[in-house]
Amino acid sequence: DTAVSQTPKYLVTQMGNDKSIKCEQNLGHDTMYWYKQDSKKFLKIMFSYNNKELIINETVPNRFSPKSPDKAHLNLHINSLELGDSAVYFCASSPLRGRGTGELFFGEGSRLTVL
Amino acid sequence: RKEVEQDPGPFNVPEGATVAFNCTYSNSASQSFFWYRQDCRKEPKLLMSVYSSGNEDGRFTAQLNRASQYISLLIRDSKLSDSATYLCVVNMLGRDDKIIFGKGTRLHILP
Repeated sequence: DTAVSQTPKYLVTQMGNDKSIKCEQNLGHDTMYWYKQDSKKFLKIMFSYNNKELIINETVPNRFSPKSPDKAHLNLHINSLELGDSAVYFCASSPLRGRGTGELFFGEGSRLTVL
Repeated sequence: RKEVEQDPGPFNVPEGATVAFNCTYSNSASQSFFWYRQDCRKEPKLLMSVYSSGNEDGRFTAQLNRASQYISLLIRDSKLSDSATYLCVVNMLGRDDKIIFGKGTRLHILP
């Protein structure tokens, strides 16, 4: 019973293509996140949603568009992929917001390689 | 100054030794602090929260110094299985409620 699941786990694609990564959590959490971990292993927040509402958008290029159809899902669509987009993208969820929580439950990551 | 800073390491430590990691954060309004562990090619997982009074979980001890904006993690009697990257995490509560990760400290326990 995977708590936070992402698909696909691996994605290899050409520059200029458009791709999506899906994320689902079955923990009943209200808050979901997308993080990017680059080749230097730096884990950087991209977006945060609380109950389908966008809370954080960390100056990510507008080629990246998150969508949350309901609070259990947060998908990430990337247009016109560039070489620098190659990274591992982690989805995460959190049970509480604004109450001192830092406990994030991560998916296994989606490794994107842009050729 | 970066929001959360850690010594990247790697720390190469013999099995059984004690090792300590430090972390500093820039935003004095930060409210919550955590240590995460990330194994190679895996997702990060919560190791422990860090409380003002300091807290211990088995061989692991975490401490917070709000005045110096400094967090530490001590691992006693290190095991081979402790080899991983340890991430310092700060929750800057507020309208955005941002959870910020440090770049991590790599630890290799040597047999």
